[in-house]
Amino acid sequence: KAGVTQTPRYLIKTRGQQVTLSCSPISGHRSVSWYQQTPGQGLQFLFEYFSETQRNKGNFPGRFSGRQFSNSRSEMNVSTLELGDSALYLCASSLGLGRGTEAFFGQGTRLTVV
Amino acid sequence: ILNVEQSPQSLHVQEGDSTNFTCSFPSSNFYALHWYRWETAKSPEALFVMTLNGDEKKKGRISATLNTKEGYSYLYIKGSQPEDSATYLCALTNSNSGYALNFGKGTSLLVTP
Repeated sequence: KAGVTQTPRYLIKTRGQQVTLSCSPISGHRSVSWYQQTPGQGLQFLFEYFSETQRNKGNFPGRFSGRQFSNSRSEMNVSTLELGDSALYLCASSLGLGRGTEAFFGQGTRLTVV
Repeated sequence: ILNVEQSPQSLHVQEGDSTNFTCSFPSSNFYALHWYRWETAKSPEALFVMTLNGDEKKKGRISATLNTKEGYSYLYIKGSQPEDSATYLCALTNSNSGYALNFGKGTSLLVTP
């Protein structure tokens, strides 16, 4: 069974540009969550989608947005990139049927903003 | 944002030693406590999901306990091996956080031969 796939794995962008990251969940999983990890910080929750609906949003500015498609694949977009957006972005998929459901993570996209 | 704290921040043990880490969290409105292992250059891997006070779970040499009334969980590794070297993360969900996993900053474990 294929795991969670994130593309691209690495990305370099310039300040002010925008970026789109992609996440393909495990087959049958309807929930996709996104997390950001910056140096010295733990994983910070961005948002969670279930069956194309955003159920939860973390404390991030509106420049961070996401969406989920009918096949459960999800994209995350960051507009007007800032240097502080340089981070590892992880997505996780789960069946999403309850808060005690196990989540499976991808390997992440490493974004560098210069 | 929920305050999930892990201690120690890092740990260096010799092969064969047993070790344990702590995860502390707000006890109110508890729903679930997740433990993950994150090896360098890999994805975080789920170890346990615990929901009931007094829960004890075990996977090989790794076990975990949960106390939801006082807001802590312990992770134990018996007879540490070099392949146990990783960062161990705990994450909390409660009725206020919805489906978000609120992570601690992790405990970085290094096991040397």
